[in-house]
Amino acid sequence: AIQLTQSPSSLSASVGDRVTITCRASQDIRSALAWYQQKPGKAPNLLISDASSLERGVPSRFSGSGSGTDFTLTISSLQPEDFATYYCQQFHSYEELTFGGGTKVESK
Amino acid sequence: EVQLVESGGVVVQPGGSLRLSCAASGFTFDEYTMHWVRQAPGKGLEWVSLISWDGGSTEYADSVKGRFTISRDNTKNCLYLQMNSLRNEDTALYFCAKGVGAPHHWGQGTLVTVSS
Repeated sequence: AIQLTQSPSSLSASVGDRVTITCRASQDIRSALAWYQQKPGKAPNLLISDASSLERGVPSRFSGSGSGTDFTLTISSLQPEDFATYYCQQFHSYEELTFGGGTKVESK
Repeated sequence: EVQLVESGGVVVQPGGSLRLSCAASGFTFDEYTMHWVRQAPGKGLEWVSLISWDGGSTEYADSVKGRFTISRDNTKNCLYLQMNSLRNEDTALYFCAKGVGAPHHWGQGTLVTVSS
């Protein structure tokens, strides 16, 4: 099974900061990677699919990059509503989807 | 508007069985792959199972293989998860989600608690 390793598991940042989260796959998944945002008590919200395609309605301060095994989610200027937990997810292996362990973005 | 509403979550004893349902509306249900994803209290997301648009193909996480069965009724726009031989570690919020690859729409979840 494909494993996804996210780092860091948590980070503290201030409004206006640039935030970068990484996701490493255990094997080549090309661009079959998505990023989700989840707030407490809520369902995950899809931000980015195919590694870098921003979903409709998602602010442009969010961006994704990478291919193969190394991927990055960047928030260019952190806003108050961005404090949440972020997950990567691979869909290269149709038979078994996988999520990363999550990154909690907290207020410094 | 796409809506996914899960139901059926309760407290059940270890070894017990349960069936979850997910009622879908706002889209052509029989055109989409559907998933179940769960989240244990305070933990991350874990994909559980998927079913193809016609029910002809199903996949399961190793942690539930042989115990859980996913199914769908396209005439009722409903997705199901039959859960047997439940274990304490199956305690989680269970979400249904729509879409092949990266699911775009999710329900709000139904809570399953396995406890004696």
